[in-house]
Amino acid sequence: EAAVTQSPRNKVAVTGGKVTLSCNQTNNHNNMYWYRQDTGHGLRLIHYSYGAGSTEKGDIPDGYKASRPSQENFSLILELATPSQTSVYFCASGDEGFQDTQYFGPGTRLLVL
Amino acid sequence: QQKVQQSPESLIVPEGGMASLNCTSSDRNVDYFWWYRQHSGKSPKMLMSIFSNGEKEEGRFTVHLNKASLHTSLHIRDSQPSDSALYLCAASDDSGYNKLTFGKGTVLLVSP
Repeated sequence: EAAVTQSPRNKVAVTGGKVTLSCNQTNNHNNMYWYRQDTGHGLRLIHYSYGAGSTEKGDIPDGYKASRPSQENFSLILELATPSQTSVYFCASGDEGFQDTQYFGPGTRLLVL
Repeated sequence: QQKVQQSPESLIVPEGGMASLNCTSSDRNVDYFWWYRQHSGKSPKMLMSIFSNGEKEEGRFTVHLNKASLHTSLHIRDSQPSDSALYLCAASDDSGYNKLTFGKGTVLLVSP
């Protein structure tokens, strides 16, 4: 099965601070995605990438930036964290075919105080 | 408005029973549907996918798709306590990059 790892697994941040969430995949997938999961909202797409150097806005990009420096790594950056960004964040990777499965990492639980 | 609607929000079935979950997309551009399963505290894992009208069966799991109504359903027969989880329906179109839109999910509890 596809391997996607995330770090850190848990993070406590202060309001106004900078937070970087990291994701690594070893499957040579072109596409990578960042989602957040909140009770009552399901999974929502924040940013995605179709290859090294590319980042695209998803459905809820406000307050987030993304970086894809290599095929394997995709980061989500919160420049000025707010309590409303407290959530569980999932990274996923997948091939570029329309019928290709996305594989999810274990998630990062972020608490912004 | 949520583009992918799932029902019911929660469901309790006895062990050995049949669980039926529903999902409808309001986006006419959708072409592909997935069902993901997420156990408590874990990440979502793809359970089944369906891209054509009709039915697909894998073991105890059967998925149906009606493309005209953009409705898919997941049926789990002989439900086991280990099937207790959040079931997420996702949809995508062929506009590129395989972006998924998820529903809010159905919480299934299988009671021993």
